[in-house]
Amino acid sequence: EAQVTQNPRYLITVTGKKLTVTCSQNMNHEYMSWYRQDPGLGLRQIYYSMNVEVTDKGDVPEGYKVSRKEKRNFPLILESPSPNQTSLYFCASRMTGVTSTDTQYFGPGTRLTVL
Amino acid sequence: AQSVTQLGSHVSVSEGALVLLRCNYSSSVPPYLFWYVQYPNQGLQLLLKYTSAATLVKGINGFEAEFKKSETSFHLTKPSAHMSDAAEYFCAVTTDTGRRALTFGSGTRLQVQP
Repeated sequence: EAQVTQNPRYLITVTGKKLTVTCSQNMNHEYMSWYRQDPGLGLRQIYYSMNVEVTDKGDVPEGYKVSRKEKRNFPLILESPSPNQTSLYFCASRMTGVTSTDTQYFGPGTRLTVL
Repeated sequence: AQSVTQLGSHVSVSEGALVLLRCNYSSSVPPYLFWYVQYPNQGLQLLLKYTSAATLVKGINGFEAEFKKSETSFHLTKPSAHMSDAAEYFCAVTTDTGRRALTFGSGTRLQVQP
């Protein structure tokens, strides 16, 4: 089954404790992206990757890091989480980064709470 | 730069009534437009998309949307609401320039009353 998977689905942590949210897709997609969803703000892009070893900032990159060493994986790293990073996070992928008309597929989400 | 405005954060309809969810966009270049649906505790699922072919786009679950350039709108409609349509709906815009990212509206939560 074609899908985007994220782990963990739920995470409660404390300020300053480094964490990683994993994302994996099995569709051989080139383009991958991380979003955060906050009430009343919709989804905002954190980082994206056009292909392996090619990553760039989205609209709200502060406090986050990413890496793309393999085509299927795109982990999101919070080096020193803060309470304002409490949010619902989505990973997404689409076939190519060249054209925007391809459908973007979303993972099930990771609900992060930073105390 | 591109942006999306969804009018009405909450919409309530009766079962069997018309569903109309409004979306207006702003883009300096030809846009591509999408509607996504989010059911509780799930990710986003594509309902339909406009990619500059037909202006009236039909999607899954009986939804459709019409691209109106003169009004910069892409409203989502369904003739007859079903209880299972209760969800949050997001309109999004992108273009073939820059980082080709989806820019989302703030979402509209649809309630369907029996």
